[in-house]
Amino acid sequence: QVQLQESGPGLVKPSQTLSLTCTVSGGSISSGGYYWSWIRQHPGKGLEWIGYIYYSGSTYYNPSLKSRVTISVDTSKNQFSLKLSSVTAADTAVYYCARLAAQLGGVDYWGQGTLVTVSS
Amino acid sequence: DIVMTQTPLSSPVTLGQPASISCRSSQSLVHSDGNTYLSWLQQRPGQPPRLLIYKISNRFSGVPDRFSGSGAGTDFTLKISRVEAEDVGVYYCMQATQFPFLTFGGGTKVEIK
Repeated sequence: QVQLQESGPGLVKPSQTLSLTCTVSGGSISSGGYYWSWIRQHPGKGLEWIGYIYYSGSTYYNPSLKSRVTISVDTSKNQFSLKLSSVTAADTAVYYCARLAAQLGGVDYWGQGTLVTVSS
Repeated sequence: DIVMTQTPLSSPVTLGQPASISCRSSQSLVHSDGNTYLSWLQQRPGQPPRLLIYKISNRFSGVPDRFSGSGAGTDFTLKISRVEAEDVGVYYCMQATQFPFLTFGGGTKVEIK
C-alpha cells in the first residue's frame, strides 16, 4: 500500500518561500507511469492542481502558478518537494501530495495534507 | 482550459435513498488514445480526497459497488444507489484528458436530510 506524507513549516511569512516535502513509502518513486503531484485546497474551497513531476525529473505546472513553483524529486530518498515563492495570504491552504496514475488517469493515493498559513 | 461544472452544489439525501451528481466539461474528454480520463473523488469531512471512479465507470480498489459512474463526451454522472451515513462529504469530478493539465469540478456536498 503506497503511503504519502507531507512535511514542512505550517507558517510562512508573506513574500517568503513555502517549502514542503513528500515522503513516499510502500512503493518506489522511480516506478514508471506515475506523476508525483502537489494539489492544494483553500479553506472551505475546492481542489487546485499545482503541478507534478515524473521520476525522470520532467515537470508540469499549473500556468496560473508556474512563475512561482518549483517541484523537484530525490529518488534516493523516495521524496519529492514543492517550493512556492513570493507567497501571500492567498496561498494559505491545505497542501496535499498525491500520485497521479497515468494508466488510470486518476489520482489514486493522497497524503493526509498539511495546512500552510501565510501570515506575518 | 477545460472547465468542469458540477451540479447540484448540495444534495440532501435520505439514508437508503439514491443520490446523483452531474459533471459537465467545457469540451470533450475523449483523449486521442480513445480513453476518457474522467474520475470521481470523495472527500469526507476532515479527510483527504479518495479516488472512487476512474475512466468514467471503473471503481477503484475497495470502493463499494453502490457507487457507479456513467457518461460520455462532456456529460458524466456519479450515482450512489443507496446512501449510507459514511457517504457524507464532498464529491469532485476531475479530468486528466488535457494532460498535463488537471482540472477539478467545484464539488457537490452530499448530506443527510
